[in-house]
Amino acid sequence: QSVLTQPPSASGTPGQRVTISCSGSSSNIGSNAVNWYQQLPGMAPKLLIYTTNQRPSGVPDRFSGSKSGTSASLAISGLQSEDEADYYCAAWDDSLNGFSVFGTGTKVTVL
Amino acid sequence: QVRLQESGPGLVKPSETLSLTCSGSDDSTRDYYWSWIRQPPGKGLEWLGYIYQSDETKYNPSLKSRLIISRDTSENQFSLTLRFVTPADTAVYYCARGFTSSGTVDSWGQGTLVTVSS
Repeated sequence: QSVLTQPPSASGTPGQRVTISCSGSSSNIGSNAVNWYQQLPGMAPKLLIYTTNQRPSGVPDRFSGSKSGTSASLAISGLQSEDEADYYCAAWDDSLNGFSVFGTGTKVTVL
Repeated sequence: QVRLQESGPGLVKPSETLSLTCSGSDDSTRDYYWSWIRQPPGKGLEWLGYIYQSDETKYNPSLKSRLIISRDTSENQFSLTLRFVTPADTAVYYCARGFTSSGTVDSWGQGTLVTVSS
């Protein structure tokens, strides 16, 4: 039921910059902020970026978020082995009385 | 962050009702958006809904006819009830605390696997 589309996978070597896209529509990303979650293997997700580009306390500044129109991006600079995880974007959708929606998820592999 | 813990049966029969409870480590149930999110095995996350302090609820439109989220402030708990389950409802169910009306979640339970099978 996801209405936010992400690439299934992304990869990079340690130290590289990796970018993950999240494509939505005018009713979600186009009119609302975007959040990003990181899910390490076997763990519950963790909030990584909120309100499109804000980092919760404790999240390294290697992680950054941005948005343009109906698409958003998460960038990981200086990729580290511990960044190998699944990443999900999320946004509020104003249609059908409002609901939250997650992206399809992107598996990041550190080569 | 608050510590959250899901509890409930791990196995539910098709067409029956799935009921889960989430217990929090503090009594701030009035200030946040208490949420349920699930993840089928090997798949992505799906937002189910939340309840807010004034008993305001928001639900995933695809589940709205089967889903109820409620809370018990005296017990620092909130609950999920999903009726008429099918095997497609098999998933790890997470309870979570949100701090915005748009569903931003900053604390998660560890999750509990619920299998729908006869």
